[in-house]
Amino acid sequence: DTGVSQDPRHKITKRGQNVTFRCDPISEHNRLYWYRQTLGQGPEFLTYFQNEAQLEKSRLLSDRFSAERPKGSFSTLEIQRTEQGDSAMYLCASVGGRAGVEKLFFGSGTQLSVL
Amino acid sequence: SQKIEQNSEALNIQEGKTATLTCNYTNYSPAYLQWYRQDPGRGPVFLLLIRENEKEKRKERLKVTFDTTLKQSLFHITASQPADSATYLCALSRYNFNKFYFGSGTKLNVKP
Repeated sequence: DTGVSQDPRHKITKRGQNVTFRCDPISEHNRLYWYRQTLGQGPEFLTYFQNEAQLEKSRLLSDRFSAERPKGSFSTLEIQRTEQGDSAMYLCASVGGRAGVEKLFFGSGTQLSVL
Repeated sequence: SQKIEQNSEALNIQEGKTATLTCNYTNYSPAYLQWYRQDPGRGPVFLLLIRENEKEKRKERLKVTFDTTLKQSLFHITASQPADSATYLCALSRYNFNKFYFGSGTKLNVKP
């Protein structure tokens, strides 16, 4: 499978615990994005990487959230001291396509439930 | 900040009819507008891209229009099938494709 893969698919945690999600993008894609999606809403931008450099972070991303992309390959998104409001689908995407027709390739997401 | 609006009410249509979905935006000048399909529990899947200087784009049973004066895109599925039932999202980006902003999506239900 050469698509974007995310792990785990589902995560249930208790409030106050830390969680970490992993994303493996399509290998030749330089840009990687994290989005958050709640029920009935579209994906909200969180942050993106060009290779290993994190170029932008949304104001939605509090200091409890941190993302890394060591060596410009896979990426991790960590949430510390989780809150119930963090419950959502966390989507990872990488960008590919020829110039002028670039598009997002999404993984299946990690569904986080904070109890 | 940019605002992207899609009809939050589900669109229910009969099989064989044409489904038309709307995407309106304000406070933004996109260079590109994209449409994605999302099935429950899955990530969105790219369908079509249209540039600001294009009025219309077609792909098989899909047609997208883009009116930068009205700040609106229409997405049509002709000869709709129950398998077309899903949520459809529009996304806007500028020339550098660095940021993609999504609407909230419209759920389409195609009844046999």
